[in-house]
Amino acid sequence: KAGVTQTPRYLIKTRGQQVTLSCSPISGHRSVSWYQQTPGQGLQFLFEYFSETQRNKGNFPGRFSGRQFSNSRSEMNVSTLELGDSALYLCASSPGEGTNTGELFFGEGSRLTVL
Amino acid sequence: AQKITQTQPGMFVQEKEAVTLDCTYDTSDPSYGLFWYKQPSSGEMIFLIYQGSYDQQNATEGRYSLNFQKARKSANLVISASQLGDSAMYFCAMREDFTGGGNKLTFGTGTQLKVEL
Repeated sequence: KAGVTQTPRYLIKTRGQQVTLSCSPISGHRSVSWYQQTPGQGLQFLFEYFSETQRNKGNFPGRFSGRQFSNSRSEMNVSTLELGDSALYLCASSPGEGTNTGELFFGEGSRLTVL
Repeated sequence: AQKITQTQPGMFVQEKEAVTLDCTYDTSDPSYGLFWYKQPSSGEMIFLIYQGSYDQQNATEGRYSLNFQKARKSANLVISASQLGDSAMYFCAMREDFTGGGNKLTFGTGTQLKVEL
């Protein structure tokens, strides 16, 4: 069974640009969550999508957005990049049925560097 | 207040020994889930073990067990028979089913475990 796939794995952008990251969940999983990991702030929840609807949102500015497609693949977009957006962006998938499945599997992440 | 507290920034353990990684949590939700993840230097978060707040027995998964003490709000991870490949960062995380919901996890700051020969 294929795991969670994130693309691209590494990317470099400059301030003011925008970036789109992609996440393909495990087959059959309908929930996709996004997390940002930085040395200073640790792991922080960005948002979660379930059946193409945003189900939950963390405390990030509106520059951070996401969406989910009918095949459960998800994208997140960061506009007007700032130096502080440099981070490892992790995507996690789960079946999404109910809230107590205990199954939440992460991809390898997309490492974004903003210059 | 921190929702997830991991007080051990770094730990060393001898190969084949057992090690306990501490985690305490703070929530007023009656229903919640507790997770442990391993993050090697490659960056991927590897799911280790899950404990639901209503689970009567401590969770176990192979060499991993979760010592769940609900009254003390602790969810320590025990790794038995440590292996060199266990060297990694370990994160404790919580999902609050009512105030959070879905798959919003709150993570601790992590414990860097080093297994030595």
